[in-house]
Amino acid sequence: EVQLVESGGGLVQPGGSLRLSCAASGFTFSSCAMSWVRQDPGKGLEWVSTIGGNDDSTYYADSVKGRFTISRDNSKNTLYMQMNSLRAEDTALYYCVKRPRIAADGPFDFWGQGILVTVSS
Amino acid sequence: EIVLTQSPGTLSLSPGERATLSCRASQSVSSDFLAWYRQKPGQGPRLLIYGASSRATGIPGRFSGSGSGTDFTLTISRLEPEDFAVYYCQQYERPPLTFGGGTKVEI
Repeated sequence: EVQLVESGGGLVQPGGSLRLSCAASGFTFSSCAMSWVRQDPGKGLEWVSTIGGNDDSTYYADSVKGRFTISRDNSKNTLYMQMNSLRAEDTALYYCVKRPRIAADGPFDFWGQGILVTVSS
Repeated sequence: EIVLTQSPGTLSLSPGERATLSCRASQSVSSDFLAWYRQKPGQGPRLLIYGASSRATGIPGRFSGSGSGTDFTLTISRLEPEDFAVYYCQQYERPPLTFGGGTKVEI
């Protein structure tokens, strides 16, 4: 059974940093690209970032480029998102999302439960 | 950026009825890269349809997708109680990957 468990969220002041983690199990982690998607509470979905299975390609939404860094540790089956220079508009539920193959060109075939990040003073 | 517009915003139906949801793209999207998701309250979205018309693993036959170019449709032939939720379309052809604003199917 595929499981994606996010952690590391919480309350942070504007300008601060957080590191999200996503522990994956139930599939061959290194064979799948992974993404982060966020959702304003009660609102729609926004793609944030994607990393290929081999960690050789990364993509970012313009809204987070230069502030967020996606990475993965295939030996630990874990996906990360380092978030720096956080802003109030980064407040959202962040989902860890699995892609079906190593290249970053498939649909979002499994989603975690999400972790809340709140940026406020 | 490809903008996806979903309509209607809310669909009020009864169990057993047919639901037809629309997704229109601001520019042509390859059918290989159009997906639909269902999100129930308090849960992450679940993939229903990918490649515009292929059902994901475990998705029942009452869900079907169609369309090409800039116009895509999700049809639920007979609504079950668990189908009252929010539905999103998404294009994953090229970054930035984008989602529609969602259609809420309510009783």
